[in-house]
Amino acid sequence: GESVGLHLPTLSVQEGDNSIINCAYSNSASDYFIWYKQESGKGPQFIIDIRSNMDKRQGQRVTVLLNKTVKHLSLQIAATQPGDSAVYFCAENIRGYKLTFGKGTLLTVNP
Amino acid sequence: EAGVAQSPRYKIIEKRQSVAFWCNPISGHATLYWYQQILGQGPKLLIQFQNNGVVDDSQLPKDRFSAERLKGVDSTLKIQPAKLEDSAVYLCASSTPWSGGSPLHFGNGTRLTVT
Repeated sequence: GESVGLHLPTLSVQEGDNSIINCAYSNSASDYFIWYKQESGKGPQFIIDIRSNMDKRQGQRVTVLLNKTVKHLSLQIAATQPGDSAVYFCAENIRGYKLTFGKGTLLTVNP
Repeated sequence: EAGVAQSPRYKIIEKRQSVAFWCNPISGHATLYWYQQILGQGPKLLIQFQNNGVVDDSQLPKDRFSAERLKGVDSTLKIQPAKLEDSAVYLCASSTPWSGGSPLHFGNGTRLTVT
């Protein structure tokens, strides 16, 4: 079946640098996308979402970009901090139905 | 607002035993989900409820897994009998129902170890 996938399983950055986490999706019918952060021993925590009628959305230190032409999603984290170290998942949804997660990227922030 | 509550946090059982997990969603959230997360993987949807009705249970192994949400609030997920491959974190999530999509809010999960 169609699924969401991530290009990089691990990403290591220096504190203060910007981080970019990428995600490829294959279901062209997906109309809603979410990025989650998961710390060890905790459930996924909502970071930011974007609907298919948008190509960019900004939050506090985070930006999500959506390129529907190539079915690509990215999460940019500005001025990465040690507290940003976690596994990041993208997830896709069709009309609020059956949110499907990718495999995740482990982000490590070095002090 | 209070988050999604799950219990227990940890459970260790032997294979072929039974186990049950409990979830209390965020107040007012009509949609409730159970996800299974195997170590190193993304969460996989097991079942989705809208109030007390099942919306999707296509990935629930119905020969051994069951779930209910009798009054449209709390939910329980049961495994009977458990297999070694059921070792995972079981996450409960809730959301407001909207066809345009709304964020799921997750609990911290129950970590199940089957020996």
